[in-house]
Amino acid sequence: GQNIDQPTEMTATEGAIVQINCTYQTSGFNGLFWYQQHAGEAPTFLSYNVLDGLEEKGRFSSFLSRSKGYSYLLLKELQMKDSASYLCAVKDSNYQLIWGAGTKLIIKP
Amino acid sequence: ETGVTQTPRHLVMGMTNKKSLKCEQHLGHNAMYWYKQSAKKPLELMFVYNFKEQTENNSVPSRFSPECPNSSHLFLHLHTLQPEDSALYLCASSQGSGGDSYEQYFGPGTRLTVT
Repeated sequence: GQNIDQPTEMTATEGAIVQINCTYQTSGFNGLFWYQQHAGEAPTFLSYNVLDGLEEKGRFSSFLSRSKGYSYLLLKELQMKDSASYLCAVKDSNYQLIWGAGTKLIIKP
Repeated sequence: ETGVTQTPRHLVMGMTNKKSLKCEQHLGHNAMYWYKQSAKKPLELMFVYNFKEQTENNSVPSRFSPECPNSSHLFLHLHTLQPEDSALYLCASSQGSGGDSYEQYFGPGTRLTVT
């Protein structure tokens, strides 16, 4: 079967750095996405990786290793507004998105 | 505001009722999706429409019936639902449904409670 694993919940301190991991086992791979979802709101696109390596976008970076079936989302200089759930999703060989259950990130002052 | 709107935002219905959820996208996209989001579970893809044609139906019970009259509008018709159908129903759109890099834009969702 297809599976995306990410931690259920993480806590970090304002101003710090946090890394959210995602491991996947899917039938084929056509890219990995990270989305942010604030409570009661729609998921919004953060990043996309299809080749190995690091993609940087401001305070957020996303890394991919296809051989290890592994990705992480790195958030720097954490702000209170970064408190949200972070969803990892992989496009399989049928170009269908397979979603993880999300990681709830709690930021403390 | 992502360019995808959903109505109603909240819905409470009995198991014998019939109701419809509406989604509209203002992004000129060709693909639209219905997802079910339950607490602490992954998003479940229900239906995919590409250029108004249904291309995916992930073994969804017949009590959920989608309709896509044009590329901008998507409906989900509900009838004789069960309490376990209570969830957040999300609509999304993307430029296409194939290809690798098409990101999806989500609406705010309809919070459905079945009593």
